[in-house]
Amino acid sequence: AQSVTQLGSHVSVSEGALVLLRCNYSSSVPPYLFWYVQYPNQGLQLLLKYTTGATLVKGINGFEAEFKKSETSFHLTKPSAHMSDAAEYFCAVSERNTGFQKLVFGTGTRLLVSP
Amino acid sequence: DVKVTQSSRYLVKRTGEKVFLECVQDMDHENMFWYRQDPGLGLRLIYFSYDVKMKEKGDIPEGYSVSREKKERFSLILESASTNQTSMYLCASSLSEDSGRGSTGELFFGEGSRLTVL
Repeated sequence: AQSVTQLGSHVSVSEGALVLLRCNYSSSVPPYLFWYVQYPNQGLQLLLKYTTGATLVKGINGFEAEFKKSETSFHLTKPSAHMSDAAEYFCAVSERNTGFQKLVFGTGTRLLVSP
Repeated sequence: DVKVTQSSRYLVKRTGEKVFLECVQDMDHENMFWYRQDPGLGLRLIYFSYDVKMKEKGDIPEGYSVSREKKERFSLILESASTNQTSMYLCASSLSEDSGRGSTGELFFGEGSRLTVL
C-alpha cells in the first residue's frame, strides 16, 4: 500500500518568511500527488495537484510544489508567508487498490504564522 | 458554487445510540467518501461509494455502515456508538476518472461533523 509521510506536525514561520512543508511518499508506480489545506472549522480544499507532465506545479494562494521522483518527495513552498496562510496542510497520494483509485492522506502539518 | 453539505456540525450522543450522519452533494459526482479525522492521525477512509447502492470498505470500516440510495446522498451510520468513535467526520465527493476506474483525486469536502460520544 502507498503511504505519505509529512515531516513536522507543526511548522512556525514569521510573516514574510519562506514556507516549506515537507512530504515524502512511497509508491511502486508513478503516483498522483496532492496538497490540501484546511482552515479552522472548515473542510479541506485542494491547493494543487501533480498528475503528469511538468514537475513544478503551481496552486492557489501563491503555493507551489515540485515532484522529485529521485527523492520521492513533493514538498510545498511559498516564498512569503501571510497571516491568512495559518492552517493545516495535508499531502495525499493516489492509491489504486482493487482497480479503484482513491487518496491516502498524510497526518498533516499545522502552519503557524507570527507577525 | 459547488457544495457538499453535512447535516450536523456538532452532535453529542450516548454510548450505544444509533447515529446517522448525512451528506449531500450538488455536483452530480459519482464518488462519495467518508473520512474520520483525528489529531496526529490525519484522515482515514471509512467507506466510499462509486455509484448508487454501491459501497466499498475503506481502511477503518469496523463499527460503521453506509447507505447510498440516491446519487447525491451518502449516509454514515454508527449502529451502536462507542466512545472511541468520538471524532471529526468528513464527507467528500469527486468525479470519476475518464477510465471510470476511480476518483480524479480532486475531492470536495463538507465542513465536517464533530461527534462526541459520552
